[in-house]
Amino acid sequence: QKEVEQNSGPLSVPEGAIASLNCTYSDRGSQSFFWYRQYSGKSPELIMFIYSNGDKEDGRFTAQLNKASQYVSLLIRDSQPSDSATYLCAVDNQGGKLIFGQGTELSVKP
Amino acid sequence: DTEVTQTPKHLVMGMTNKKSLKCEQHMGHRAMYWYKQKAKKPPELMFVYSYEKLSINESVPSRFSPECPNSSLLNLHLHALQPEDSALYLCASSSGQAQETQYFGPGTRLLVL
Repeated sequence: QKEVEQNSGPLSVPEGAIASLNCTYSDRGSQSFFWYRQYSGKSPELIMFIYSNGDKEDGRFTAQLNKASQYVSLLIRDSQPSDSATYLCAVDNQGGKLIFGQGTELSVKP
Repeated sequence: DTEVTQTPKHLVMGMTNKKSLKCEQHMGHRAMYWYKQKAKKPPELMFVYSYEKLSINESVPSRFSPECPNSSLLNLHLHALQPEDSALYLCASSSGQAQETQYFGPGTRLLVL
């Protein structure tokens, strides 16, 4: 069983819509959760981190964490073509390691 | 400033060559990481240095040899690589405290012929 699971996509949304990216994790003791954006051929870039249950907003991005359900999501409002990328969910495994999901490919169509 | 730098950007090497990848950060971070990433896959952890000591080695073949000369520098020495080692090699750093954010460098694109 994979420790961090994401839908691989591709997820296609029209420009201006809300993109919803989801991630589940298996380690109930995990405390830190990260979303990275990776453009093709580039390195991962941190978008958001979240430690507490609930929502965390930063501009057009909102991260949501539900530890009881072992679920973390990323919402992108007013999606733009420049948001087209692979989004990686990562969870700290309490051992100094980040466990990555397989990534969700997002395509925002003009 | 959350910048991690890596050199070179691209590297082509033969299977008998010896080369090194270099990573540098000036954020005062005390943990540094090497990852390998193949196309369409997530980054795969190779090594972790914490306070300049190797703390995690993910059973990486000995043809990859990490080195941490000081708290700002991390090297990855390469020798007798195989074509399947061709990948994007990523360096990352974090403060060294538990569960802190890792910041990635731009990566080195390695091709082994």
